[in-house]
Amino acid sequence: KNQVEQSPQSLIILEGKNCTLQCNYTVSPFSNLRWYKQDTGRGPVSLTIMTFSENTKSNGRYTATLDADTKQSSLHITASQLSDSASYICVVRGFSGNTPLVFGKGTRLSVIA
Amino acid sequence: GAVVSQHPSWVICKSGTSVKIECRSLDFQATTMFWYRQFPKQSLMLMATSNEGSKATYEQGVEKDKFLINHASLTLSTLTVTSAHPEDSSFYICSARERTGFYEQYFGPGTRLTVT
Repeated sequence: KNQVEQSPQSLIILEGKNCTLQCNYTVSPFSNLRWYKQDTGRGPVSLTIMTFSENTKSNGRYTATLDADTKQSSLHITASQLSDSASYICVVRGFSGNTPLVFGKGTRLSVIA
Repeated sequence: GAVVSQHPSWVICKSGTSVKIECRSLDFQATTMFWYRQFPKQSLMLMATSNEGSKATYEQGVEKDKFLINHASLTLSTLTVTSAHPEDSSFYICSARERTGFYEQYFGPGTRLTVT
C-alpha cells in the first residue's frame, strides 16, 4: 500500500533556530516528491519538487533532501521566522502522470518568540 | 506560477440547504481537477477526481449524490454539497492539474463550509 509517513507530528521551536522535518514513503514506482506549506485556513503552497534523480533542492531558507534508495526525504528550515508556523506536508506522486498524489499527515510547526 | 482560485472562501448555510463551490484555474488549462476535504489537524483527503467533459470519479466512502461535481470547462469545476448537514462542515480544497509537461498540480486557497 502506498503510504507517506511524516515525523514529528508537531514541533515547537524558538525563532531563529533551525529544524528538520522527516518524510518516509513507500510509493513505488516513484516519480516525484513535494513539500508543501499550509497555513491555517489556507490551501497548500508548493515549496519544492524533487524527482528521483535529485538529492537536494533549496528554496530560500528551505532545503529538501531526497534519498530514493531508502525512500526518505527531509525538509530543513534555517533561521526560522514566526511566519514559518504552519503545517508542512510531504506529498509523493507515483510514476504515471495520472497517479493520484499520496499525502502525508503533515508536521505542525510552531515558531515562538 | 499558476493560480487556482476558489469561491467562496467561506460560507455558512443552514442544514438541509445546498452549497456550490467554484474552482477555477486562472492562467492554465486543467483537464483534471481534484476535490479534497480537510478536517482540523488532519491531512487532505481526496474526495473525487473530475475530468473535463466526463463524470467524476469518487473515492470510496464519498457519496456522489451528495457531493455533485461538474467539470464543464478546462478552467472551471464546481462542487455542490446537497442537503448539507453539520457533519459536512469542513475545509474543502480544490486542485487543478496541468494538461501537459510535468502534470504539475496546483491547489486553491480552500473554502470553509460551516453548516448550522
